Amino acid sequence: GDSVTQMEGPVTLSEEAFLTINCTYTATGYPSLFWYVQYPGEGLQLLLKATKADDKGSNKGFEATYRKETTSFHLEKGSVQVSDSAVYFCALKSRGSYIPTFGRGTSLIVHP
Amino acid sequence: NAGVTQTPKFQVLKTGQSMTLQCAQDMNHEYMSWYRQDPGMGLRLIHYSVGAGITDQGEVPNGYNVSRSTTEDFPLRLLSAAPSQTSVYFCASSQDSRGETQYFGPGTRLLVL
Repeated sequence: GDSVTQMEGPVTLSEEAFLTINCTYTATGYPSLFWYVQYPGEGLQLLLKATKADDKGSNKGFEATYRKETTSFHLEKGSVQVSDSAVYFCALKSRGSYIPTFGRGTSLIVHP
Repeated sequence: NAGVTQTPKFQVLKTGQSMTLQCAQDMNHEYMSWYRQDPGMGLRLIHYSVGAGITDQGEVPNGYNVSRSTTEDFPLRLLSAAPSQTSVYFCASSQDSRGETQYFGPGTRLLVL
């Protein structure tokens, strides 16, 4: 079945540091890939997505590239801010699946 | 659009009590789902629906019931609350498509004593 593996957290960084959160997946066919973000006390919201191989999703300075050869969708940001502190979830949705499969989430803490 | 709304925001129950968590969406989405979020466990799917009158079990359905009489509403019922059901519950909806985004509600925090 489908599965998503994310790096364990928390990830702790200083403001303006470079961020990478690793995400790898197992799925049949060509799934769509997503990153969701959950700010404290809120529900999840879409951060970015990519629907086919080599596509790059981007939003709010975050980027992730759909790499089919390595089955990965790593999240990156060049310079994090305190306001980026949140939990980040990688997810996939396969053709024919009703509901996405989520990773366990990675907590990011950014210090001033 | 209000998006996905959930009520109540917070609830305290005693063991054995029953209650219904409400979820509604105004985006005419076919798919709706309920998740629970516990520390270190990520999101776990409880039940989902692919349309009015159609529901199915997710990963952790025991102790919960759902129904979908309209496209807009997808209530989650706890028949006899247990301390193990203390959690944060999220409702989500999406359109019927592989690339479509899931829209989440703000969550309901449930404490069972």
